[in-house]
Amino acid sequence: QLQLQESGPRLVKSSETLSLTCTVSGGSIISSMSYYWGWIRQPPGTGLAWIGSISYTGTTYYNPSLKSRVTISVDTSNNQFFLRLNSVTAADTALYYCARLALPALPDSNYFDYWGQGTLVTVSS
Amino acid sequence: SYELSQPPSVSVSPGQTASITCSGDKLGDKYACWYQLKPGQSPVLVIFQNTRRPSGIPGRFSGSNSGNTATLTISGTQAMDEADYYCQAWDSSTGVFGTGTKVTVL
Repeated sequence: QLQLQESGPRLVKSSETLSLTCTVSGGSIISSMSYYWGWIRQPPGTGLAWIGSISYTGTTYYNPSLKSRVTISVDTSNNQFFLRLNSVTAADTALYYCARLALPALPDSNYFDYWGQGTLVTVSS
Repeated sequence: SYELSQPPSVSVSPGQTASITCSGDKLGDKYACWYQLKPGQSPVLVIFQNTRRPSGIPGRFSGSNSGNTATLTISGTQAMDEADYYCQAWDSSTGVFGTGTKVTVL
């Protein structure tokens, strides 16, 4: 059974960089190009928001609203992928999830089929 | 940017049918999926490609998508179905989530 686990600092100071790691177990990140790996967040009291996704070869897609501040990278040797979000503000306080993104043959029918439990990151002033 | 709207809340009695709508411009031309969120748990995919159920998801969950609206239907709702539900679709390689609906089983 595939499992994903987020880790990283729970408290980040305003204007600094948020860094999170997602460790994948029970399967390999290099399973196939039929899967990407993604980050999603949920600010307190609001809904889910897609941050971005990455393939095991390093191809990335980012939410245009965050693109200038986000970097997603992958380490296949350790079965991990990462999120970096620069210049954070209180608006970046959220529950951050990592997830596997399945890419079926049907175009634009992608879906997140495995999720981590999420980690709450608070941005303090 | 593309937006998906859902009703903030839906109430349903045990054993009855709950319908959750997700509205977006020409959503029927896209593929919708649905996620169930419960506090302290990992989100769960309940419907993908508009109508398909992942293995392990009960048959009481079903989906449809036409025109500007995708719908998640829970037939014979059980207390364990009380949760937040989010629709999601892709627009120009960007993932878009709906605003979320809290389902309360009274």
